[in-house]
This record gives sequence, structure tokens and C-alpha cells, in this order.
Amino acid sequence: EAGVAQSPRYKIIEKRQSVAFWCNPISGHATLYWYQQILGQGPKLLIQFQNNGVVDDSQLPKDRFSAERLKGVDSTLKIQPAKLEDSAVYLCASSPAFRGVLTFGAGSRLTVL
Amino acid sequence: KNEVEQSPQNLTAQEGEFITINCSYSVGISALHWLQQHPGGGIVSLFMLSSGKKKHGRLIATINIQEKHSSLHITASHPRDSAVYICAAFSNTGNQFYFGTGTSLTVIP
Repeated sequence: EAGVAQSPRYKIIEKRQSVAFWCNPISGHATLYWYQQILGQGPKLLIQFQNNGVVDDSQLPKDRFSAERLKGVDSTLKIQPAKLEDSAVYLCASSPAFRGVLTFGAGSRLTVL
Repeated sequence: KNEVEQSPQNLTAQEGEFITINCSYSVGISALHWLQQHPGGGIVSLFMLSSGKKKHGRLIATINIQEKHSSLHITASHPRDSAVYICAAFSNTGNQFYFGTGTSLTVIP
């Protein structure tokens, strides 16, 4: 079974620039999560999709972050404009709905200068 | 207050020592994960538990549903066990996970 694919693995940008991350979940997994992990902390949920609908985006800074999951498969997370405090690893994870199984991608490490 | 609390935050052990990491949670859950994250690496699920105990090699995970507590044990620890270990609880009232802040383990040769 292929894992959760993410790209790019690393990205360095200057503040006020924009960046986009892509995630391809495990085939058949209805639930897709985007997490932000700052160094030394546990993952913080940014947004959760169930198929192509948003279940929870309460912690997504909507003035600068956006995410979509077209057709209920791939997802993109965009940051525009980026701030220094956005430097983190952005983790995508997927799960069969309501099953509690969770598989993470390798993450996309963002550095904002 | 976090829904999931882990202890200790940091742990240093000598190679060969027996290690225990604890996780307490305050929400109702249907499953609990122990996750491992090596420096610069992705997150891997070591165990998913809903009751009792699971063992994989030198790793053992236990959960006490009544006490809302889980432990991860590492026997005969090795430097390659050095990583961050994260407890994640899957809520039984919604399709969501709650994460602990992680325990950073360093095993010294």
C-alpha cells in the first residue's frame, strides 16, 4: 500500500511570499488532515476534510492560510503571505473515516526568512 | 488544559535501560496511538490500542481505559530509539485526534 505523499519536502521563502504544499492521501481514505508542527511541539490541527468537505478548520488562520481538497482526493495547503512564525513542518495525514487509523506523510518543512 | 498530557517531556537514558513514557487523556476515546518521530523524519505509528496491551519487539504499549492512561515501554533501550514519542487519542465523539506534546528520548551509548 502506497503511503501518504507530500511535496515539496523542503521550502525556503522570504516573509510575505506565498507557498503551496500538496498531499496525496492513501487511496480510499476519506479523512485528510493538515497539521502544523513547530519544533519541540506536538502536531496542531489546521484543517480536517471528510471527502471534499471541511469538518474542522477552527485553528486555520484564514487570513493567510487556505486549503482545498478537490474531488475528495488530493489536497493543497497555501500560505499567503507567509510570516516568520509560519516556519514549521506541515504534516498531511489520512485516515479511513471514523476508524482511528492514522497515517502520516513525511511532511513539508517550511523556513520563512 | 490539553486533552492529552505526556510525561516526561524529556528523557535521557543509558543504553540498555528500561524506559517508560506516560500518557493521560481527558476525552473519551475509541483508540490511542503511540507515534515515533526521528529528528528530521516523518511520523510513524508504532501502536494503535483500544484496550489491554500490545508488544512489538522491544516496545510494549499498555492502556487502562478506566483510568484514561497509557504507557509506552522500551526494554533494553538502544541509541537508535532516540526520537520523539507522541501520544495521540482518537475521540469517540467525533472524527478527530488529540495529540500530546511529545517526549523527547535520548539514549546514550
